[in-house]
Amino acid sequence: SYELTQPPSVSVSPGQTASITCSGDKLGDKYACWYQQKPGQSPVLVIYQGSKRPSGIPERFSGSNSGNTATLTISGTQAMDEADYYCQAWDSGTVVFGGGTKLTVL
Amino acid sequence: QVQLQESGPGLVKPSETLSLTCTVSGGSMRSYYWSWIRQPPGKGLEWIGYIYYSGSTNYNPSLKSRVTISVDTSKNQFSLKLSSVTAADTAVYYCARGNSGFAGRNYYYMDVWGKGTTVTVSS
Repeated sequence: SYELTQPPSVSVSPGQTASITCSGDKLGDKYACWYQQKPGQSPVLVIYQGSKRPSGIPERFSGSNSGNTATLTISGTQAMDEADYYCQAWDSGTVVFGGGTKLTVL
Repeated sequence: QVQLQESGPGLVKPSETLSLTCTVSGGSMRSYYWSWIRQPPGKGLEWIGYIYYSGSTNYNPSLKSRVTISVDTSKNQFSLKLSSVTAADTAVYYCARGNSGFAGRNYYYMDVWGKGTTVTVSS
């Protein structure tokens, strides 16, 4: 079965750029998306079709996707961005999530 | 805007069947995929399966033998049944609306999620 791999944790200082990676076999042949989940809340879609932002998602969130890696980039990271982030792709009709990355802003 | 609300028992006994319903309000079910996702305490997201509004389904291979998802578009609802549950099925269960297509590459993303419902498997 298809697998997506994310680093368990990423740390960033306020105002700096955070990058969260998601790797999978030939992931660049698919569109990845990203969800943000804060404690006790439902996941929120922040990037879809690799690099598109839903309405209401700040411009500091961006995505890229090539080769075997998709990357979520948060520019000018704010304290409110501290959360778990999950990548997700679609492979042979099934939905696959990465294991999640805890972003700490300190 | 579209809202989703999960409902069902919060406690299920081992070996029994977990049954949940997701009610869709503020929009049509037409042309979308409707997914169930779960999250065990302290762990990541696990996709359970989805149903297209027309009734076609696809399930996580690891759960396929125990899962049934159905849809009732006249009631704007879709449902999950998970049989022979164990403590490992204890989780927050979410329903979500899925969008799928091809734009140079295949894509699927979930843009509307319910608040989730906690299901505990215990005797």
